[in-house]
Amino acid sequence: DAGVIQSPRHEVTEMGQEVTLRCKPISGHNSLFWYRQTMMRGLELLIYFNNNVPIDDSGMPEDRFSAKMPNASFSTLKIQPSEPRDSAVYFCASSPSSDTQYFGPGTRLTVL
Amino acid sequence: QKEVEQNSGPLSVPEGAIASLNCTYSDRGSQSFFWYRQYSGKSPELIMFIYSNGDKEDGRFTAQLNKASQYVSLLIRDSQPSDSATYLCAVISGTNAGKSTFGDGTTLTVKP
Repeated sequence: DAGVIQSPRHEVTEMGQEVTLRCKPISGHNSLFWYRQTMMRGLELLIYFNNNVPIDDSGMPEDRFSAKMPNASFSTLKIQPSEPRDSAVYFCASSPSSDTQYFGPGTRLTVL
Repeated sequence: QKEVEQNSGPLSVPEGAIASLNCTYSDRGSQSFFWYRQYSGKSPELIMFIYSNGDKEDGRFTAQLNKASQYVSLLIRDSQPSDSATYLCAVISGTNAGKSTFGDGTTLTVKP
């Protein structure tokens, strides 16, 4: 199994630009999670989906962030417009049962 | 009070010693408990999970859970330099199944 796939691995953009992060979960997993990790705030859950349906988006910082899961094999996290404080590593994780999670390699986002 | 608290460390132990990592949680209704290991610049990977009071052993790792004290720990026996990493404790609340709350992690260094 290829594991959770994320793209891009690195993204550098300028403030105000739109950023789209992509995730392909492990086949057969029915839960998908988006996290953000920074030194200051640690690992924060942004949103999670169960069977492609958003269950809890209380961690999404503000309206600039949106996430979709159009099918079982693909999810996106979009930031529009991006700001320097959004700079972080964004992880996608999937789970076969909503408890044990398997993390992707992460996307390191830098907003200048 | 944070929902999941860990000593940030750093914790330093000599090679071959036992490393003890501790975690407390605030939600008494929490049901599931996890330990993830994160090497610098990498994504978290699951190493142990425990659901019931008591000890659970897997190779050199032992997870211990005491729900009455709201305390979960991870013991690493015969510590190796390759165990040097940040260890994240994660807890799933009984009221929000599927949503893991992570502690800030404890950084462990095993010195040869």
